[in-house]
Amino acid sequence: EAGVTQSPTHLIKTRGQQVTLRCSPISGHTSVYWYQQALGLGLQFLLWYDEGEERNRGNFPPRFSGRQFPNYSSELNVNALELEDSALYLCASREREGRETQYFGPGTRLLVL
Amino acid sequence: GQNIDQPTEMTATEGAIVQINCTYQTSGFNGLFWYQQHAGEAPTFLSYNVLDGLEEKGRFSSFLSRSKGYSYLLLKELQMKDSASYLCAVSPQTGFQKLVFGTGTRLLVSP
Repeated sequence: EAGVTQSPTHLIKTRGQQVTLRCSPISGHTSVYWYQQALGLGLQFLLWYDEGEERNRGNFPPRFSGRQFPNYSSELNVNALELEDSALYLCASREREGRETQYFGPGTRLLVL
Repeated sequence: GQNIDQPTEMTATEGAIVQINCTYQTSGFNGLFWYQQHAGEAPTFLSYNVLDGLEEKGRFSSFLSRSKGYSYLLLKELQMKDSASYLCAVSPQTGFQKLVFGTGTRLLVSP
């Protein structure tokens, strides 16, 4: 069974640009979570999508946004990139009923210059 | 607020046993997770504790004390491939809303 996949694997952008990151959950998983892992910091929760709706949001500015599609895949959009947005962005998925465990994808490493 | 503490780095020798501690102070508690993350790779799920006590899974065991806000991950018969970061994470709310992570413990296993 395929795991969580993310694209692209690496990305270089300049300040002020916009970026879109993509995530495909494990087949049968309906929830998608996004986390930011900056150098030296723990994973910080960004967003949670379930059944196409945004269910919860972390302490990030509104320029971080996303959506979930009918096939449960998800996009994370970051507008007006800042240098401190340089990080590994991880997507995780979870099954629908009663299961707490989140399974992570390999991440997208974003470098903002 | 949410606070999860773990040691930054640990070293151990191949074949030995190592215990990685995690203490937490969160607004709520709905379970504690341990993940392993090799450099440049995705975190992989190791264990989930929601009740007090020890959960054993092969060479890895995880312990939880909810009253003390404390957990540990025990790795036995260490192998070189166990060199990785170990992430402690708490689910602070019901409804699977998010995980709160510590900064991780980097474990280096030497021959």
